[in-house]
Amino acid sequence: GENVEQHPSTLSVQEGDSAVIKCTYSDSASNYFPWYKQELGKGPQLIIDIRSNVGEKKDQRIAVTLNKTAKHFSLHITETQPEDSAVYFCAASPPSNTGKLIFGQGTTLQVKP
Amino acid sequence: GAVVSQHPSWVICKSGTSVKIECRSLDFQATTMFWYRQFPKQSLMLMATSNEGSKATYEQGVEKDKFLINHASLTLSTLTVTSAHPEDSSFYICSAKPGANVLTFGAGSRLTVL
Repeated sequence: GENVEQHPSTLSVQEGDSAVIKCTYSDSASNYFPWYKQELGKGPQLIIDIRSNVGEKKDQRIAVTLNKTAKHFSLHITETQPEDSAVYFCAASPPSNTGKLIFGQGTTLQVKP
Repeated sequence: GAVVSQHPSWVICKSGTSVKIECRSLDFQATTMFWYRQFPKQSLMLMATSNEGSKATYEQGVEKDKFLINHASLTLSTLTVTSAHPEDSSFYICSAKPGANVLTFGAGSRLTVL
């Protein structure tokens, strides 16, 4: 089955700097890759996603890149703000399109004011 | 937008008792819902896929007799933790997919077993 690896496990940046989180997946048939932000005691919230027919997607300060050949995808947050501090999870979805997701281990992002 | 609601948001119970957690899709119908478990500072682990009108599909290592899932309607799935023990204490999160849109998660239910 699918396996998703996420790095780093923790990331501390200064406000205004950029943050990059990387994930690799094992199943080349996976075709959907969302990123979620989870605040303490809450459910995950989708922040951006990308499908396998696209190489890059951007939404204001957030961007995601996908390299299908290498089977890895990355989250880029620019101009970080303290409110970006949270746990971020990447995920991969097998091609069944039922909504099943396999999550990475998570990255705790701390943005220092 | 699509909303998935969970109830209760937190529950404390004594060891040996059973606890039911509800997951509702408020403004869409969901033939399939997913139940995840998240231990502190860990990732979300898929427990089972809940299928409306049929048996749930459990992931490897998840005891189906301990985690009973019922998906009796297109808007409600329930997870019952039977004979709960302290090691079952966790954050349980459900999700559903409103049509072709992206997966939507509930706010989670924190279970503490004393």
